[in-house]
Amino acid sequence: AQTVTQSQPEMSVQEAETVTLSCTYDTSESDYYLFWYKQPPSRQMILVIRQEAYKQQNATENRFSVNFQKAAKSFSLKISDSQLGDAAMYFCAYQSGGGADGLTFGKGTHLIIQP
Amino acid sequence: NAGVTQTPKFQVLKTGQSMTLQCAQDMNHNSMYWYRQDPGMGLRLIYYSASEGTTDKGEVPNGYNVSRLNKREFSLRLESAAPSQTSVYFCASSERLAGAGEQYFGPGTRLTVT
Repeated sequence: AQTVTQSQPEMSVQEAETVTLSCTYDTSESDYYLFWYKQPPSRQMILVIRQEAYKQQNATENRFSVNFQKAAKSFSLKISDSQLGDAAMYFCAYQSGGGADGLTFGKGTHLIIQP
Repeated sequence: NAGVTQTPKFQVLKTGQSMTLQCAQDMNHNSMYWYRQDPGMGLRLIYYSASEGTTDKGEVPNGYNVSRLNKREFSLRLESAAPSQTSVYFCASSERLAGAGEQYFGPGTRLTVT
């Protein structure tokens, strides 16, 4: 079974600064997908960014980018120019490419934005 | 276009009572999922439905049953609720069963079992 580990229960960053959230995963599969989801206090799960394991290029979505290190099984999220609206829980998630198991989530990182 | 809707939003049950959580999506997605989220944890998969007429167990299926009523609706039933089932329940849907098909989540149901 796959596991996803987020080692930072909480992170704090000054508004307009850059922060990186860490995620590692364990899998024996070669075909898979990785995601970062944001969960604000409203509880709604919002997709931030996704990465296909077969792609060398790191995914980018506006101020959000990932550092995908396949050999190290590492998938970190970088948020540039942090904004107050970025404050939320962030979950890293894994999905098998060939299987049908839904998403496997890490325990999350609580991101605090200091004004 | 409402996306994924869940009812109810909140529910309190006594131990041993039963209830059904309802989920519906209007995006014509093939796959639907039920997750639970406990404090300090990420979401964990309870059951999923790859397509209409099929259901499969996820990581934590014990104490639950599901029904894929049609392509739009996927319900989760607790036959005899236990305090360990106190949690927030999320329904999600996806165009594809596996692969980079984004999962769209409902707003969640907060269930308390006393």
